[in-house]
Amino acid sequence: QKEVEQNSGPLSVPEGAIASLNCTYSDRGSQSFFWYRQYSGKSPELIMFIYSNGDKEDGRFTAQLNKASQYVSLLIRDSQPSDSATYLCAAANSGGSNYKLTFGKGTLLTVNP
Amino acid sequence: NAGVTQTPKFQVLKTGQSMTLQCAQDMNHNSMYWYRQDPGMGLRLIYYSASEGTTDKGEVPNGYNVSRLNKREFSLRLESAAPSQTSVYFCASSESGALGYTFGSGTRLTVV
Repeated sequence: QKEVEQNSGPLSVPEGAIASLNCTYSDRGSQSFFWYRQYSGKSPELIMFIYSNGDKEDGRFTAQLNKASQYVSLLIRDSQPSDSATYLCAAANSGGSNYKLTFGKGTLLTVNP
Repeated sequence: NAGVTQTPKFQVLKTGQSMTLQCAQDMNHNSMYWYRQDPGMGLRLIYYSASEGTTDKGEVPNGYNVSRLNKREFSLRLESAAPSQTSVYFCASSESGALGYTFGSGTRLTVV
């Protein structure tokens, strides 16, 4: 069973702080990893993906991957109230030419003004 | 660009009724997926279609059928709805999945 684990939260941070979201995965064959943001009542939207060990930065967001530890994280710098949402971590596993994503249950982030 | 379009957005069914959820994408993606999302359970894969003409079961396929009508359209059918199928259903598409999925806006289904 391929699993992706996340703390459900809620994670509460003050405006302007760094929010740190964590994720572990069970399948060592997982090849790429995704962070989605989902506002209440809306569909998930892709924030960023990472497939190499190390850090990947995109604006206020940094994804970190450690394949040896099977660990993925997302850092949000200068957190804003508009960042308040559920963050979903996903791992992609290839089956032939098709990659299927396994999602974690999500971490609820609240940024307090 | 519409992206991934799902219809209907909301539906209430009585137990035993049937219905089809429609999904269409205009991004020329090869792969399409149906997920359900339940509180505390996260997103779970029901069925997927790696390419036109193929479909495969996901994690929770029981009680559902799918049709990949053409490259654009992938429908999900509930033949005899049960209260356990009350959920939010998301359709998604991707070129291959390696760069992630694009999700539709979802269908909120209630079975009473």
